[in-house]
Amino acid sequence: DAMVIQNPRYQVTQFGKPVTLSCSQTLNHNVMYWYQQKSSQAPKLLFHYYDKDFNNEADTPDNFQSRRPNTSFCFLDIRSPGLGDAAMYLCATSRDRAGAPNLETQYFGPGTRLLVL
Amino acid sequence: AQSVAQPEDQVNVAEGNPLTVKCTYSVSGNPYLFWYVQYPNRGLQFLLKYITGDNLVKGSYGFEAEFNKSQTSFHLKKPSALVSDSALYFCAVRDIERSGGGADGLTFGKGTHLIIQP
Repeated sequence: DAMVIQNPRYQVTQFGKPVTLSCSQTLNHNVMYWYQQKSSQAPKLLFHYYDKDFNNEADTPDNFQSRRPNTSFCFLDIRSPGLGDAAMYLCATSRDRAGAPNLETQYFGPGTRLLVL
Repeated sequence: AQSVAQPEDQVNVAEGNPLTVKCTYSVSGNPYLFWYVQYPNRGLQFLLKYITGDNLVKGSYGFEAEFNKSQTSFHLKKPSALVSDSALYFCAVRDIERSGGGADGLTFGKGTHLIIQP
């Protein structure tokens, strides 16, 4: 089945130690998103890739970076995790078409729960 | 700026009764509206969406939602609730006319816990 996969499902890191979260998709979607969801809060968009173009949200801290080496994979890098970065990180994909943007559904992976010690 | 409000933190419904989860939105242009469901420690699952056309949208697992432009609402409904419907429900919006166009992230409401009692 086509799907969005996130690894690992649970990640423990130490304060200040760089960590990378992984997302892959078999949907062949051209857009990939990263959301942060803190406990009891709504998911909040960090950034997204439209094809190879990176789009950062204005209020996303510099501590958060992303890489998309190919269509299928996208990574979230946290350079120096703080205690406040503990959250569920959700990857999503969509197939946005030229001339009909913003119409396609976003499909989410199961998320990676990050714990910072 | 676009926003979504889900006025109820929690909705309790007896199994077999109809349920409604409320959502109102604010956008500068045309709204594209979505409902997602989240089970504990899981990602979001798509339920349904409104883009254009019929104001009553039918989705997965027997859920439906009604778009009301005058009231800027998009309430989620189901005629007969199941215990397995117990989960966290998110309403979300995208605004096609947000500056820059192209693909855009979703703006979510804070979520509503739906509890179906046997």
